[in-house]
Amino acid sequence: QVKLLQSGAALVKPGDSVKMSCKASGYTFTDYIIHWVKQSHGKSLEWIGYINPYSGGTNYNEKFKSKATLTVDKSSSTAYMEFSRLTSEDSAIYYCARSEYGRRCFDYWGQGVMVTVSS
Amino acid sequence: DIQMTQSPPSLSASLGETVSIECRASEDIYSNLAWYQQKSGKSPQLLIYYASSLQDGVPSRFSGSGSGTQYSLKISGMQPEDEGVYYCLQGSKYPWTFGGGTKLELK
Repeated sequence: QVKLLQSGAALVKPGDSVKMSCKASGYTFTDYIIHWVKQSHGKSLEWIGYINPYSGGTNYNEKFKSKATLTVDKSSSTAYMEFSRLTSEDSAIYYCARSEYGRRCFDYWGQGVMVTVSS
Repeated sequence: DIQMTQSPPSLSASLGETVSIECRASEDIYSNLAWYQQKSGKSPQLLIYYASSLQDGVPSRFSGSGSGTQYSLKISGMQPEDEGVYYCLQGSKYPWTFGGGTKLELK
């Protein structure tokens, strides 16, 4: 069955970076786009960007363009997001989710990574 | 960016009651609208895509409708397991954007 397994929770200091992973299984990794979504505590969801594992092509929400970097390792079917220059506003749960090419929604989500930014 | 206005923000329904949640887009999104259910501490789960297509495994009491800028999710017969927060997502234009959410509780 399809699974997106994300890395564990992170506690980081202001100004630091964090890199989180999303390991896919149960499907052909390069057949689906991987997206990243932010959910601040008790709030709604924000789309950060996507990466096409087949081509490596990316598309970022302007709001996160200077903050997030998306990469993939096809050999291990793993997607990564690095979030830099962290502030308290970046404390949130970050999800990876996949979408089928041409299907404009996420059909499977990872379990989420809680990132806490605190000195 | 396309703004998604979701209503109501919260809702309380009795067992078996029919519930409706609305989403209005700031421009035509051509039925590129999905609905998600998020239970406490869990990831969102896809219920409906392309405005009215039921995702595999989702109970048939969930249905979606709408076109243009106005969309709705209907739950025909509230069940205890339907408690959670519901979000709409527009996938018409990047950046994809979500509604603010509707918290649904059992009365």
